[in-house]
Amino acid sequence: KNQVEQSPQSLIILEGKNCTLQCNYTVSPFSNLRWYKQDTGRGPVSLTIMTFSENTKSNGRYTATLDADTKQSSLHITASQLSDSASYICVVSSTSGTYKYIFGTGTRLKVLA
Amino acid sequence: NAGVTQTPKFRILKIGQSMTLQCTQDMNHNYMYWYRQDPGMGLKLIYYSVGAGITDKGEVPNGYNVSRSTTEDFPLRLELAAPSQTSVYFCASSYSFEGSNQPQHFGDGTRLSIL
Repeated sequence: KNQVEQSPQSLIILEGKNCTLQCNYTVSPFSNLRWYKQDTGRGPVSLTIMTFSENTKSNGRYTATLDADTKQSSLHITASQLSDSASYICVVSSTSGTYKYIFGTGTRLKVLA
Repeated sequence: NAGVTQTPKFRILKIGQSMTLQCTQDMNHNYMYWYRQDPGMGLKLIYYSVGAGITDKGEVPNGYNVSRSTTEDFPLRLELAAPSQTSVYFCASSYSFEGSNQPQHFGDGTRLSIL
């Protein structure tokens, strides 16, 4: 069964600190992996998209990594800011099956001053 | 740029009532999607469309209907509201197939409560 699991479920850090969010997946065949940021009361917004051949992609203070062999991804946030408080959702897309985007349940990050 | 616009933002319905959730996008995307997001769960696909006049069921289509008469609009219809349909509904659009590197663009959601 195609699944995407994220950890931790929630995380609290102090402003200025770094953090890493994890995503493990069992989706096959794999097409690409996406990270989205979802602010409270808003829709998800794309941060990065990585294909099978990419193992790192950055978007400002956000850096995503992908290990296609172990089917793991991480999202690293550097020098966190209060505005980073949000849910971060890992999405894996497949080239087969009806439900081609498989969403994780997200990691809820809270950054404290 | 407006992107994906959803209306209404909030709605309370009584059991058995009907309503239409509106979604429009101004990016000329062929692909549009409806998802529901329940607490502690990943987004679930309700219906999707690959172009005007073409729609198909997703993972959780029961109790919903859609139509796609234009590229811009993709309304979601609830015919007989049930408490299990209490959720946050997101509409999304994308330029091309999920195998591409194009992101999905999401609206800000409609928060629906069925009482």
